[in-house]
Amino acid sequence: DSGVTQTPKHLITATGQRVTLRCSPRSGDLSVYWYQQSLDQGLQFLIQYYNGEERAKGNILERFSAQQFPDLHSELNLSSLELGDSALYFCASSRGGGSNEKLFFGSGTQLSVL
Amino acid sequence: AQSVTQLGSHVSVSEGALVLLRCNYSSSVPPYLFWYVQYPNQGLQLLLKYTTGATLVKGINGFEAEFKKSETSFHLTKPSAHMSDAAEYFCAVSGNTGGFKTIFGAGTRLFVKA
Repeated sequence: DSGVTQTPKHLITATGQRVTLRCSPRSGDLSVYWYQQSLDQGLQFLIQYYNGEERAKGNILERFSAQQFPDLHSELNLSSLELGDSALYFCASSRGGGSNEKLFFGSGTQLSVL
Repeated sequence: AQSVTQLGSHVSVSEGALVLLRCNYSSSVPPYLFWYVQYPNQGLQLLLKYTTGATLVKGINGFEAEFKKSETSFHLTKPSAHMSDAAEYFCAVSGNTGGFKTIFGAGTRLFVKA
């Protein structure tokens, strides 16, 4: 158990809808990362937050947004969903967010857009 | 910019044989390099990492990797494969570019034959 909690584990929704994925980092970790894993794209970095502030941005679509709250949990919002958004979304956390730090991954949220 | 190339999307070895998973990276700054493992229906777990110092890095479960700057490589090895090593392995790179993001390779699925 990595200590990173993601909910829900599975999400099935329809095109055009909006969903929210939730992540609670390990106790004491200040940095949260979101990754998207799909068969054709592999593991793609979306965004990183450190102590409530956005720190780094990757290949995140404009339809997607994220935030980190004062209690350090994070939410990833996906809107106007398309079939191609179906993927496994991982949250990871690290102590300080430095480049040399180990990432602790949650078990992921499997999103299916029908 | 940074990138990672993992040579071979699938590798098959016999139990007891040498495991060699190849990773080459590209980085404009001194890299931090990682190997993560993903078992079915789980998040990624860190096997080992290289930041600075000794270029031969030992990790968990008998794995090790050697950082070779001249070859821009960070190949993962294990002298004797176990059935339990069957999983997907990801090489990753990060560095103090100001972005702090960790970039993952496409992954290599390791099959272990009895």
